[in-house]
Amino acid sequence: AQSVTQLGSHVSVSEGALVLLRCNYSSSVPPYLFWYVQYPNQGLQLLLKYTTGATLVKGINGFEAEFKKSETSFHLTKPSAHMSDAAEYFCAVRGGNFNKFYFGSGTKLNVKP
Amino acid sequence: DAEITQSPRHKITETGRQVTLACHQTWNHNNMFWYRQDLGHGLRLIHYSYGVQDTNKGEVSDGYSVSRSNTEDLPLTLESAASSQTSVYFCASSDLHEQYFGPGTRLTVT
Repeated sequence: AQSVTQLGSHVSVSEGALVLLRCNYSSSVPPYLFWYVQYPNQGLQLLLKYTTGATLVKGINGFEAEFKKSETSFHLTKPSAHMSDAAEYFCAVRGGNFNKFYFGSGTKLNVKP
Repeated sequence: DAEITQSPRHKITETGRQVTLACHQTWNHNNMFWYRQDLGHGLRLIHYSYGVQDTNKGEVSDGYSVSRSNTEDLPLTLESAASSQTSVYFCASSDLHEQYFGPGTRLTVT
């Protein structure tokens, strides 16, 4: 079975500080992993994805994530937070039948000036 | 550009009424999904479809139904709206690699 756990429903950082949002998954097959971002009153937008190949994945807006199979993790990072990064972030894993997606409960990122 | 649209964007209805939320995608994807988003619960899957005439129940399907008569549309029907169905509803479609989300419909049941 597939599932996703996001540690911390709320994370607060100062502008310019490192952003680290944690995601752990379980999957019975080699996973496809995703991070989505949701700005207020909007739908979800793909930030980055891991399918195969290089385990360090770069996405939009300076975000990146590293697939660590041994730790079953796919943590999202950004070296320097910007006010515009304030949003809710969802980690997701694609299911074994490759047609269903399983989402974490989300992490709201607050960026303090 | 291909897109996925939802209508209406906002809806207020009364308890017991039937409500249909529309979802239309021009990606030509076979796979389509309906989620609801509630505080503290993230995204929960209501129904999904892998193609025309195919529909499947998700984890919170009670009180909802869908039908798939063509590739582009997957309307979501609330048979008899309840206050517990007040939520934000997202439609999505997917190819082999990712899901694409609509802008959402905010539904209030009074």
